[in-house]
Amino acid sequence: ETGVTQSPTHLIKTRGQQVTLRCSSQSGHNTVSWYQQALGQGPQFIFQYYREEENGRGNFPPRFSGLQFPNYSSELNVNALELDDSALYLCASSLLDSHVYGYTFGSGTRLTVV
Amino acid sequence: ILNVEQSPQSLHVQEGDSTNFTCSFPSSNFYALHWYRWETAKSPEALFVMTLNGDEKKKGRISATLNTKEGYSYLYIKGSQPEDSATYLCAFIPPRGSTLGRLYFGRGTQLTVWP
Repeated sequence: ETGVTQSPTHLIKTRGQQVTLRCSSQSGHNTVSWYQQALGQGPQFIFQYYREEENGRGNFPPRFSGLQFPNYSSELNVNALELDDSALYLCASSLLDSHVYGYTFGSGTRLTVV
Repeated sequence: ILNVEQSPQSLHVQEGDSTNFTCSFPSSNFYALHWYRWETAKSPEALFVMTLNGDEKKKGRISATLNTKEGYSYLYIKGSQPEDSATYLCAFIPPRGSTLGRLYFGRGTQLTVWP
């Protein structure tokens, strides 16, 4: 059983640039969710992907977008980066409707926008 | 916006002390509650998934209770050890619908256990 792997672990970008973060889901899981944790806050839901389609979205602007691939891995893309996008981005994989089993998280990507 | 509150924000205890912290959530709209343990530079790890009012779960020295009618869950650690030092997050899940399994997290309780 593999865990969830996120890459890169850290990166620094300049305001206005674009960034892609990657997440491999745990073997057997078909759903990936992305969360943003800003300093001093709890993780906030960005969106969820199930079988390559967006399956729910939090209160984030359209410049946050994502993809899920046939192997259930996922990408989070952020365009036109702003300073407030600096945060830890967490990816979690699960089976859809598996709220009773807990989610498997990666260790996150720390994004700094300067 | 669903509000999930955790208290205290941080806690410092001596090795051997027992401790507990609280997660409060909307009582009117409940489906499940997760507790996660998150060590620095690691992944949040699921501790407990609680779904029924009155649930009590236990894993070693750590246990949790759930009261859905009043909207709170307690996490207890008996005889804290330095390796228990971590941030403990609770995450609330309302009934399915547009939220589709979305987790609403509290800010966490950061526990430090001194030897």
